[in-house]
Amino acid sequence: DTGVSQDPRHKITKRGQNVTFRCDPISEHNRLYWYRQTLGQGPEFLTYFQNEAQLEKSRLLSDRFSAERPKGSFSTLEIQRTEQGDSAMYLCASSLIIAGVGELFFGEGSRLTVL
Amino acid sequence: AQSVTQPDIHITVSEGASLELRCNYSYGATPYLFWYVQSPGQGLQLLLKYFSGDTLVQGIKGFEAEFKRSQSSFNLRKPSVHWSDAAEYFCAVGPDDKIIFGKGTRLHILP
Repeated sequence: DTGVSQDPRHKITKRGQNVTFRCDPISEHNRLYWYRQTLGQGPEFLTYFQNEAQLEKSRLLSDRFSAERPKGSFSTLEIQRTEQGDSAMYLCASSLIIAGVGELFFGEGSRLTVL
Repeated sequence: AQSVTQPDIHITVSEGASLELRCNYSYGATPYLFWYVQSPGQGLQLLLKYFSGDTLVQGIKGFEAEFKRSQSSFNLRKPSVHWSDAAEYFCAVGPDDKIIFGKGTRLHILP
């Protein structure tokens, strides 16, 4: 069990550029979540997938953000036309939901800095 | 909508002293409750969870928490802290499809 892995760990980009983050969940987990964490704040829910279906999106997820989970395996989070306010740590988590309960296992995050 | 309040942004305790971190939640049904810890440069690690049953739950690293429905609280406790416990602690409330986190409490340990 290698845990949840995220790539890249750090990304510095210029305003207006597009960035993509990848998350590989724990292999047997059926749910995958994206959260965003800014300095001094707790993780904020962005979206989650049940297998390949995206079931909920937060209002925080503007039209510039898109997440996919093709074939129910890894997931990508793309931010188009980045803004300085997008600078944050993007956290991925996965869980195995059985009978409606489970816990989140987090990756180490992808830190985005928009200049 | 559910929410979580952690009233203390920072807490400082001496090594060996007892610890209690406060967490209050708002949720319309029986909640799922969690405590996570985040050390600098590390991912969030689950300390303990409450889904149902015994309201006093034991976790890793000597931590425990007690679910008090009447007070909408899920406070985290440890009888004797170690310098390695210095980190940020997050309380979270479910259901599992949208777990909401508090803003965290940063724990500082005095030698």
